[in-house]
Amino acid sequence: EIVMTQSPATLSVSPGERATLSCRASQSVSSNLAWYQQKPGQAPRLLIYGASTRATGIPARFSGSGSGTEFTLTISSLQSEDFAVYYCQQYNNWPPAWTFGQGTKVEIK
Amino acid sequence: QLQLQESGPGLVKPSETLSLTCTVSGGSISSSSYYWGWIRQPPGKGLEWIGSIYYSGSTYYNPSLKSRVTISVDTSKNQFSLKLSSVTAADTAVYYCARHGSKGDIWGQGTMVTVSS
Repeated sequence: EIVMTQSPATLSVSPGERATLSCRASQSVSSNLAWYQQKPGQAPRLLIYGASTRATGIPARFSGSGSGTEFTLTISSLQSEDFAVYYCQQYNNWPPAWTFGQGTKVEIK
Repeated sequence: QLQLQESGPGLVKPSETLSLTCTVSGGSISSSSYYWGWIRQPPGKGLEWIGSIYYSGSTYYNPSLKSRVTISVDTSKNQFSLKLSSVTAADTAVYYCARHGSKGDIWGQGTMVTVSS
């Protein structure tokens, strides 16, 4: 079973600053990695798939990088609407499995 | 535009079986490119993948829940379902259904299920 570990658990950032979130897989997931944003009372929203491809309608300030076991989500200049919890998710090809990191909460500093 | 909608009881008694259905609209559940899955989120906690099914009926489950989970598909109704047996308070959560694809998942809005007598 692949375990996903996110760091830090909480990130305090001022509006306009850059935020860097990390996600590590216990074994290689190639580029089968997605990032989701979740706000209170809402379903998760897809931001990034394939480790680095922005989903439809996602602003360019969100970018993803990495492959194998180390991944990063960068928010270049935080806007007020970006304060939320972010989850990484791996989707293993075989056997199929979709597992999540424990989440990183991005809060206002 | 693909949409998924969860439905089922919001309250289940301990030791009973939780049953939920996901109705898919705007697309066919029989598409060969996708898996269909269930994910849950206990109050104030993170996301947990429960299991997923291919339109052909092949199922894949989280090892930690495998002994209690059954996922099935009804292509005639464009629905898939979740059954979780022998529930306890630890199974209280928002349950989401989702379509898994190579370009990420599409999620339903979620439904809260509380396990309580």
